[in-house]
Amino acid sequence: DVVLTQSPATLSVTPGERISLSCRASESVDTYLHWYQQKPNESPRLLIKYASQSISGIPSRFSGSGSGTDFTLSINGVELEDLSIYYCQQGNSLPFTFGSGTKLEIK
Amino acid sequence: QVQLKETGPDLVQLTQTLSITCTVSGFSLTTYNVHWVRQPPGKGLEWMGAMWNGGGTDYNSAFKSRLSISRDTSKSQVFLKMNSLQTDDTAKYFCARPSHRRGGGYYFDYWGQGVMVTVSS
Repeated sequence: DVVLTQSPATLSVTPGERISLSCRASESVDTYLHWYQQKPNESPRLLIKYASQSISGIPSRFSGSGSGTDFTLSINGVELEDLSIYYCQQGNSLPFTFGSGTKLEIK
Repeated sequence: QVQLKETGPDLVQLTQTLSITCTVSGFSLTTYNVHWVRQPPGKGLEWMGAMWNGGGTDYNSAFKSRLSISRDTSKSQVFLKMNSLQTDDTAKYFCARPSHRRGGGYYFDYWGQGVMVTVSS
């Protein structure tokens, strides 16, 4: 199974900051890496597909990069509404797997 | 409008069988796949298995032979059944519809609201 390691586990942020979240795969997943945002008691919401492709309706401050085993989700100007847990997911091979998540909290 | 909705019990007894139904609308099960994902309280997401549009299934080996996924296309429903429940099966269970481009790379763009199931002794 492909293991996705997300770091940091928790990130303390100041509104307006530019931040980066990391997701590393135990083997290459090409660009078949996707990012989700999950708020308490809600279902995950797709933010970025195929490592860097934007999703309709998602604010442009969210962007993604990477390929192979190293991926980054960036938020350019964090807003209070972005305080959530972020997960990466690989869709390259079964079983599909998710990272353990990065929680954004207010500094 | 694509929608998925899970229905199932709030509470299941230890060692018993869990049954959850995912009722979909806005798309056909013979065209799109439906997968199951679960999330224990305060923990991350775990892919459980898939019902493919052709009727085949795939399962996460972590669930060994406990898990079964089936469907009734006439009712637009996908079913999850898992036996021999333990306390660590306490989780919110989601059904989700994946999309992909030619060649693969599945991602989940539609999710149900999930059903929280507690396994009690």
